[in-house]
Amino acid sequence: DADVTQTPRNRITKTGKRIMLECSQTKGHDRMYWYRQDPGLGLRLIYYSFDVKDINKGEISDGYSVSRQAQAKFSLSLESAIPNQTALYFCATSLGPSGANVLTFGAGSRLTVL
Amino acid sequence: DQQVKQNSPSLSVQEGRISILNCDYTNSMFDYFLWYKKYPAEGPTFLISISSIKDKNEDGRFTVFLNKSAKHLSLHIVPSQPGDSAVYFCAAREYGNKLVFGAGTILRVKS
Repeated sequence: DADVTQTPRNRITKTGKRIMLECSQTKGHDRMYWYRQDPGLGLRLIYYSFDVKDINKGEISDGYSVSRQAQAKFSLSLESAIPNQTALYFCATSLGPSGANVLTFGAGSRLTVL
Repeated sequence: DQQVKQNSPSLSVQEGRISILNCDYTNSMFDYFLWYKKYPAEGPTFLISISSIKDKNEDGRFTVFLNKSAKHLSLHIVPSQPGDSAVYFCAAREYGNKLVFGAGTILRVKS
């Protein structure tokens, strides 16, 4: 089994729908992150959490929310999806602070908003 | 403004030759730099890193060079192999903060 598991792997939805992307990890890492990848823009940080009950905005948090339900679970929600949220989303974990540099990524969730 | 820039969207190299991927940054407070590699349908994986107190770090076929005065780092792959074909992301960290990634460079190694 993968260390960092993302579900669903692919999702097509319509504008205005609520979408949740889920992430679970077996690494035992305390830090978890959500990134999105867009062509020509690389990986941009949406939200991150250094522990349960700790939630921090990244550089592009507008239109998204997160929940850290347990140390191993970090979910990303789009309350009302819009087409420019079509992207590849990655969950990542790290062991912090000493191991904060090296992220372990999930395989990604491809979201298409029509 | 992008603090970490990879100005070459793609690079094509013959098998056995050297691949050089470049990265420029603007934030002088960055103190740690990393390269990640990404295959299609997979998440990025950590490849190699370098602290700002060093100018070179080597791991097998992979070497990262850091030029702080020019705010430039590069990844050298020697010799390049077809399995090295992937997207390479440069990333940088300001101490205590999260990583900032570049846009990525697609490397194609031709056999």
